[in-house]
Amino acid sequence: AQSVAQPEDQVNVAEGNPLTVKCTYSVSGNPYLFWYVQYPNRGLQFLLKYITGDNLVKGSYGFEAEFNKSQTSFHLKKPSALVSDSALYFCAVRETGSARQLTFGSGTQLTVLP
Amino acid sequence: DAGVIQSPRHEVTEMGQEVTLRCKPISGHDYLFWYRQTMMRGLELLIYFNNNVPIDDSGMPEDRFSAKMPNASFSTLKIQPSEPRDSAVYFCASSFRGWNTEAFFGQGTRLTVV
Repeated sequence: AQSVAQPEDQVNVAEGNPLTVKCTYSVSGNPYLFWYVQYPNRGLQFLLKYITGDNLVKGSYGFEAEFNKSQTSFHLKKPSALVSDSALYFCAVRETGSARQLTFGSGTQLTVLP
Repeated sequence: DAGVIQSPRHEVTEMGQEVTLRCKPISGHDYLFWYRQTMMRGLELLIYFNNNVPIDDSGMPEDRFSAKMPNASFSTLKIQPSEPRDSAVYFCASSFRGWNTEAFFGQGTRLTVV
């Protein structure tokens, strides 16, 4: 079975400070991992993905995520948060070679305070 | 490309009525997904198609829900009869070559069944 957990429903950070949105996953084999962002009244937008290779993945809008196999984590990070980063963030996982669909986390609401 | 296009953006209907949601995927994409988003259950995959063929409909909640993809540029999700618990935001997404590539989401249809 595959699953993904986002342990924080809400993350608040001051503008200019670094931000981290946490994600842990569970798969039997190797994972494909994704981060998406959702702005109000919009669909999800792709930020970045880990398929294989470098553990540090860089994505859109200055975001990056680090794949940590030993901790089964894929935390989303940004060195300096912007007010415009305030949105709902989803982590998603799929086990490689599996016929199963992508499993999304419950989402983390990020609020960047001016 | 204009992205994934969904219509209508908002739909309010009375319980018992038939509702049809529409989706036009990105040209050239061979996978199409229908998701439902609610506060209680988060983002759920309802069904997905590959090359217009339904592959997995195990997420469809019950027989009142049906989906079709008559050609590569059009899909529908139908609910008949609709119930208040069907109220949600329904997203369509498409991708090229499946699960290790990112999906592109439409803006969603907000369905309210009264």
